[in-house]
Amino acid sequence: EPEVTQTPSHQVTQMGQEVILRCVPISNHLYFYWYRQILGQKVEFLVSFYNNEISEKSEIFDDQFSVERPDGSNFTLKIRSTKLEDSAMYFCASSPAGETQYFGPGTRLLVL
Amino acid sequence: QKEVEQNSGPLSVPEGAIASLNCTYSDRVSQSFFWYRQYSGKSPELIMSIYSNGDKEDGRFTAQLNKASQYVSLLIRDSQPSDSATYLCAVNRGRGSTLGRLYFGRGTQLTVWP
Repeated sequence: EPEVTQTPSHQVTQMGQEVILRCVPISNHLYFYWYRQILGQKVEFLVSFYNNEISEKSEIFDDQFSVERPDGSNFTLKIRSTKLEDSAMYFCASSPAGETQYFGPGTRLLVL
Repeated sequence: QKEVEQNSGPLSVPEGAIASLNCTYSDRVSQSFFWYRQYSGKSPELIMSIYSNGDKEDGRFTAQLNKASQYVSLLIRDSQPSDSATYLCAVNRGRGSTLGRLYFGRGTQLTVWP
């Protein structure tokens, strides 16, 4: 069964550094998403991406965040200058038609 | 503010019992409703989706939706210890559109004891 994959599974970085989180959505899915979950809190939407552009973003997704689909398979989330409060689990999700979303295993980001 | 509220739990049931999980949402235009299961340290795993009022059954799981009351529930019949997890209710304003943002509740932690 096709799955969303994410790399790395864990990332430790210093405050102020840039990180890139990578995702390979399910093949033939058209909608892509990033969510995050701070430890002990609810899953929060960051951004959705369709037809090679951002379709919606949350108030969390400020200028330090960006997304890109550099080729036909990868979907990346870049955090330009990480803060301590960016420490969280980051989930990529994809959907065939903008309804049911399938989540990847996540990247645990720790900012020191 | 679009809120999704779930009963706080934790919910503890014996093996073989029915577990009932509840969720309310504040945005009346919500169209799509989902239940995800999340094991500790893992990602959300889709269990059920429901779009129309009424019941939808899939194996041991039944989702119930009442849009007038802005209420969605999940029943787990014949609960097993492997069902022990946090259950997340998620709501989407759109359906088949670019309005794909899911609003999640905080989740209800379910423990099924043998």
